[in-house]
Amino acid sequence: DVKVTQSSRYLVKRTGEKVFLECVQDMDHENMFWYRQDPGLGLRLIYFSYDVKMKEKGDIPEGYSVSREKKERFSLILESASTNQTSMYLCASSLRTSGRGTQYFGPGTRLTVL
Amino acid sequence: AQSVAQPEDQVNVAEGNPLTVKCTYSVSGNPYLFWYVQYPNRGLQFLLKYITGDNLVKGSYGFEAEFNKSQTSFHLKKPSALVSDSALYFCAVRDLVGQFYFGTGTSLTVIP
Repeated sequence: DVKVTQSSRYLVKRTGEKVFLECVQDMDHENMFWYRQDPGLGLRLIYFSYDVKMKEKGDIPEGYSVSREKKERFSLILESASTNQTSMYLCASSLRTSGRGTQYFGPGTRLTVL
Repeated sequence: AQSVAQPEDQVNVAEGNPLTVKCTYSVSGNPYLFWYVQYPNRGLQFLLKYITGDNLVKGSYGFEAEFNKSQTSFHLKKPSALVSDSALYFCAVRDLVGQFYFGTGTSLTVIP
């Protein structure tokens, strides 16, 4: 089975702090994704990566950056956390196979910024 | 551009009755369509997908979905709902480079 793990299930940070969210997958997937989920808005893509050291902006990249130094690990960084970044953050991975690859999700990190 | 729409925020159904969660899509080219389920405070779990072939796709936990090209729909169905099916359901479409586009989700409540 594909396993996607996220470093924390719950996280509480203060405004202005730098926050790191880590995601690791064990199935050698090329593609990795970071989403945030908010009530009524569904999932919104922050960034995705289709290879090591490669990244693409999603729909809402402002205030976030990412790092992919190894194939299995994709990190989301909040440079200076703000209260409007309080949300559920979901990591996902998939094979690159054109159109067919299923996306597999981690359990999510619920971040609260005070 | 790819997009999906889930017209219902909330669906209520009595236990034992059939359920339907609606999804319509807009894609350029062949659609690759997915359904996911999310239980409280959990990530999304894959239910089923349509890539090609038979329009009726069977997935996990007794769910199935019907691809209808003329109506650009991919509705999720189950013949007999269980209380444990209560969850948030997301429809998604994938493009050729691997990016997914999710609907806003439908909250399903199965009433005992």
